[in-house]
Amino acid sequence: AQKITQTQPGMFVQEKEAVTLDCTYDTSDPSYGLFWYKQPSSGEMIFLIYQGSYDQQNATEGRYSLNFQKARKSANLVISASQLGDSAMYFCAMREGSQGAQKLVFGQGTRLTINP
Amino acid sequence: DSGVTQTPKHLITATGQRVTLRCSPRSGDLSVYWYQQSLDQGLQFLIQYYNGEERAKGNILERFSAQQFPDLHSELNLSSLELGDSALYFCASSVSLAVQETQYFGPGTRLLVL
Repeated sequence: AQKITQTQPGMFVQEKEAVTLDCTYDTSDPSYGLFWYKQPSSGEMIFLIYQGSYDQQNATEGRYSLNFQKARKSANLVISASQLGDSAMYFCAMREGSQGAQKLVFGQGTRLTINP
Repeated sequence: DSGVTQTPKHLITATGQRVTLRCSPRSGDLSVYWYQQSLDQGLQFLIQYYNGEERAKGNILERFSAQQFPDLHSELNLSSLELGDSALYFCASSVSLAVQETQYFGPGTRLLVL
């Protein structure tokens, strides 16, 4: 079963607009972490933001925020005031707290294109 | 710059050959992870080491092996290479095994098997 689902293969947004990238997850573990990474065309994976399953507030990091809806099992990334440099692949990933489950499980990614 | 280094950046080799990918984690990080990114499989976890010991295995082929050395750098060995092994291989590191610990990724090694 797919643990991380990103339903938007591609998105096109006008510069300076806000954009929401969707991510839903599936786990029965009460302790888990959700991560978003950005992969520009150069290939590196850049960590953006983290949300823990026990966190009471939505995570924010500069222009990035996470719309965390635990009951719906969704963790959408919101980028405010988009910039041309935001054009990249974005991956949602989950790490479960079960002993031995150390890996990150990634979604298929969303390719975001910012138009000038 | 994440602080994780990987060498080489690019590798072109032939089927049947063996290659070694090297990773140095961020200073202070004890845990190293290897991931493979391919067009058909996406990003997949291969194997994890913590302070020199193997801790978790994912979809790693028997032809692949890895180890973490006392200085905490890690190597991923890929042997009897096939065309389908062409991919971007990432190393990541984290301080500990806690679920909230961020894994920081290196720049990757792009492997092309001809």
